[in-house]
Amino acid sequence: AQSVSQHNHHVILSEAASLELGCNYSYGGTVNLFWYVQYPGQHLQLLLKYFSGDPLVKGIKGFEAEFIKSKFSFNLRKPSVQWSDTAEYFCAVNTGGFKTIFGAGTRLFVKA
Amino acid sequence: GAGVSQSPSNKVTEKGKDVELRCDPISGHTALYWYRQSLGQGLEFLIYFQGNSAPDKSGLPSDRFSAERTGGSVSTLTIQRTQQEDSAVYLCASSLAQLAVAGGFHDYGYTFGSGTRLTVV
Repeated sequence: AQSVSQHNHHVILSEAASLELGCNYSYGGTVNLFWYVQYPGQHLQLLLKYFSGDPLVKGIKGFEAEFIKSKFSFNLRKPSVQWSDTAEYFCAVNTGGFKTIFGAGTRLFVKA
Repeated sequence: GAGVSQSPSNKVTEKGKDVELRCDPISGHTALYWYRQSLGQGLEFLIYFQGNSAPDKSGLPSDRFSAERTGGSVSTLTIQRTQQEDSAVYLCASSLAQLAVAGGFHDYGYTFGSGTRLTVV
């Protein structure tokens, strides 16, 4: 069965530090990949997505993610985090069916 | 509407009671999903509706759970004889239908509601 693995459950960074959240999925075919974010007290929202073309995708608020097909990975990056980036981040994969599979989430806390 | 609307936002119920959770998706979104988010867990798929097709109920954890979608719009998730392990945040999401594109497909991603926090005491 398809699955999504997020390596870090909790990450603590200081402001201006660089961020990389790992995400790996298990499926050998064509995929669409997503990162969703849930800020404290808010609903889940789409941060960025990949479905074809340039494997480096840019999202809102300076986030980007790179799809590396050979590694089945879709890591999320941001060069310099802000306190307002404190949130829970979910990686997700869709393999062409109706169902999107979500990872368990990574809680990011950014110290001011 | 402008977003996915869920009600109630919070529900506390006694063990053994039935509950109904409501979702009003974005107008024009043909796909509607219910997921469950438990503390420290990821999102667990429950059920999917696409247009007027029969729903996919493969994720429903037991026969106490059921859902319907009337007129291709509003959906209701019903949990009968609630148990403490049903306590969770129930999320509804809607999306446009996937597109077939050269060499693959394009999934638009979900728009989520704010969820209903269900507590069974």
